[in-house]
Amino acid sequence: GENVEQHPSTLSVQEGDSAVIKCTYSDSASNYFPWYKQELGKGPQLIIDIRSNVGEKKDQRIAVTLNKTAKHFSLHITETQPEDSAVYFCAAISNFGNEKLTFGTGTRLTIIP
Amino acid sequence: DAGVIQSPRHEVTEMGQEVTLRCKPISGHNSLFWYRQTMMRGLELLIYFNNNVPIDDSGMPEDRFSAKMPNASFSTLKIQPSEPRDSAVYFCASSLEGVREKLFFGSGTQLSVL
Repeated sequence: GENVEQHPSTLSVQEGDSAVIKCTYSDSASNYFPWYKQELGKGPQLIIDIRSNVGEKKDQRIAVTLNKTAKHFSLHITETQPEDSAVYFCAAISNFGNEKLTFGTGTRLTIIP
Repeated sequence: DAGVIQSPRHEVTEMGQEVTLRCKPISGHNSLFWYRQTMMRGLELLIYFNNNVPIDDSGMPEDRFSAKMPNASFSTLKIQPSEPRDSAVYFCASSLEGVREKLFFGSGTQLSVL
């Protein structure tokens, strides 16, 4: 099955600076990579996703890059704001067998005012 | 739409008791997922329904866990008998169709088994 590793587990960034979270996956057949944000006491919420036919996708201050050769993808948040503080999860889906969304272990991002 | 609705928000029970968690997916969504979240294991898929039919239950820990979806607007996750190691946050999520669509998560049920 798919194995997704996520780094770092915690990240503190000064407000206004950029934050980068990285994930690697094991199944070369994986072709869909969403990112979820989880605020305290709430369920995860999709913030951006990327499919394997593109290398980068951007939505305002958030961008995701994908390197299929190296089997890794990254989340980039620019001009960070206090409301960006949350736990972020990457995930991957492969086509092998029953499709299953496998989540990374999460990154706790703290924006320092 | 009110989003995915889960109940109860918190449940405290004693070991050996039966626990039933409830979920109402977003109207019109054909897929429903039950996830468990713990510090040690992160977010784990327990079971996935499509059009009320279980598609993948390989994540259900053992026979003590069972899930049903009697209609498109309601699902239950039952643990009988409950054990302290079942303590976790249980999330229900729904999507329009399958896992490649945006998953909408409920607020979760915090379960504590004493």
